[in-house]
Formats: sequence, structure tokens, C-alpha cells
Amino acid sequence: QQQVKQSPQSLIVQKGGISIINCAYENTAFDYFPWYQQFPGKGPALLIAIRPDVSEKKEGRFTISFNKSAKQFSLHIMDSQPGDSATYFCAATLQGAQKLVFGQGTRLTINP
Amino acid sequence: DSGVTQTPKHLITATGQRVTLRCSPRSGDLSVYWYQQSLDQGLQFLIQYYNGEERAKGNILERFSAQQFPDLHSELNLSSLELGDSALYFCASSVHPSGGTDTQYFGPGTRLTVL
Repeated sequence: QQQVKQSPQSLIVQKGGISIINCAYENTAFDYFPWYQQFPGKGPALLIAIRPDVSEKKEGRFTISFNKSAKQFSLHIMDSQPGDSATYFCAATLQGAQKLVFGQGTRLTINP
Repeated sequence: DSGVTQTPKHLITATGQRVTLRCSPRSGDLSVYWYQQSLDQGLQFLIQYYNGEERAKGNILERFSAQQFPDLHSELNLSSLELGDSALYFCASSVHPSGGTDTQYFGPGTRLTVL
């Protein structure tokens, strides 16, 4: 119940295309869903986050879509650029909780 | 640069040995978190300290222990090392004790290789 399942494991997108990464969770008590971006040799960094009271959040080219009834959320990267090539992790947690539960990660490659 | 520092960057040791990983949080952050990242397990939360006290425990083995010192730096001690302990170990920090919804800033990690 504490798991977050992420897909796909790896993704190759052409420059300018849309990258879509999906996550699903079981615990309906989760109420905060961040996405982290990790470049090789670096630690993860917070990219964007959403709470379940909204269905979509957009920051620049990055959008989180949230479907509470399906217990799914996804990251969309519009106009994908080679600089977006990284590993992306979705995560979930409870407000006031100490730990983040991470998905397995998606290695995204944007071909020029 | 997140402002979180970790040393050493790389560590190679043998099975059965003991190592200490060190983390300095961002200036002003009171919470420190430790995560283990391996290929098969992904990012796993190990333990959290807030202002010197243990706050939450995750999938931390009994062979592992951590502490946070008065100057807020933290150390993760790994003992009786096994091949399966080879992984990247990340430290993260945040301002508040409720780390889940508080932005966590990750350090660059320590890559541990157990031979």
C-alpha cells in the first residue's frame, strides 16, 4: 500500500516532442505528489509538485496531471529538449509525514 | 548546487568492514534524511533526524545507524558490510520536521562499492 509504481522504465523522445511519465499509487491517504529530476552524478532535485485538490499543475514546459479517482498522476514535458535528458522520479507522501515514497524512476533521453 | 554536501564522493571497501558517510545540510535546515539508491530497489528512505533527534525510520538495516550532531551535520554508519550494500547513499535536508511536504534538498551522494 505504500508503493508508487512508475512507468515506463526508460523513454526516448525526439526533440520537440512530448514526454509522458506515469505513476500510480494505492494509499488513498497520500496527499502530496512531487516529481524529482536527477542528472547523472547529481542528487535528485524537486521539479514540480501537486496536491490532490487540483487536477493539473503547470510550470513552464512541465505539467502534472492528477486523476484522484484512478489514483494516478503523470508528468508531461512539452517541447522536450536534450537538456531534459535525466532520470525522473515520482513520489508520494502524507502531509506531516517524514518520508517520501519514490517510484522506481524513468530514464528519459531526448534525441536531438 | 543544492547546498547539501556529502563526503566522501566515492568509497570502496571490503565485505565485513565498517564505513562512515558524512553529510552537512543546507544552512538553516534542521532536518536531515538519508536515502539509499540502488538499481533494483530505487530510492529508499532510511532515516530522518530533526535538530539532533531521530524523527522517522524507514527501511534501515540494524547494521546501519545514524546520528545528527549539535552542529547539525549527520553521519551514517554502515557496519558488517555486504556486497548488497553497494549503492549510492544520498543525504537530503529540509527546514522543517515534516519532510514529506517540505522541499527536500539532496546532496550529490556517496557511491559505496563493497568488494
